[in-house]
Amino acid sequence: AQKVTQAQTEISVVEKEDVTLDCVYETRDTTYYLFWYKQPPSGELVFLIRRNSFDEQNEISGRYSWNFQKSTSSFNFTITASQVVDSAVYFCALVMDTGRRALTFGSGTRLQVQP
Amino acid sequence: GAGVSQSPSNKVTEKGKDVELRCDPISGLTALYWYRQSLGQGLEFLIYFQGNSAPDKSGLPSDRFSAERTGGSVSTLTIQRTQQEDSAVYLCASSLTGPGQGAEAFFGQGTRLTVV
Repeated sequence: AQKVTQAQTEISVVEKEDVTLDCVYETRDTTYYLFWYKQPPSGELVFLIRRNSFDEQNEISGRYSWNFQKSTSSFNFTITASQVVDSAVYFCALVMDTGRRALTFGSGTRLQVQP
Repeated sequence: GAGVSQSPSNKVTEKGKDVELRCDPISGLTALYWYRQSLGQGLEFLIYFQGNSAPDKSGLPSDRFSAERTGGSVSTLTIQRTQQEDSAVYLCASSLTGPGQGAEAFFGQGTRLTVV
């Protein structure tokens, strides 16, 4: 069975602060994919990034960066110089390459960026 | 269409009534998923359609829930004899292949179901 844990239920920061959202996963498979999605107040889940289990290279996209470490089964997400528009619920998710091909989501982290 | 479209966006129904939720997926993307998002349970997988293969129904919470996909396109999720615990946001998603093959899922805005 697979599991995704996002221990931070809610984080509040002031604009321009950096913030890291934690994600820890569990799986017995060697091939799997990790995702981050953003859910703004409008409700639609927006894809942010996908990473496969064989690619531990960290990625940076603008103010967003992701740190994937297989040794600790973590896939953390950092927003640099946060903005009010970053306020949303962020979900980490996992899918295996075999068996049920559906995303297993963490419980989400609500990020509030105060002006 | 340009994205996944779900209808209705909101539905209020009386306990015991049947409801149908509709999903128009992204044209050309063969995989379709239904998820449920509720306060106590987070985001739960319900059912998965991939092309002409038999659907994966392993996430459906009870036999009151069913779904079909006609012509490999539009999907309908039906809940019979609704209960208050069915109140949630029901999300539909499209992807090119199963996400196990690395394809991201594109989500609709969901149908908020309230059972009173």
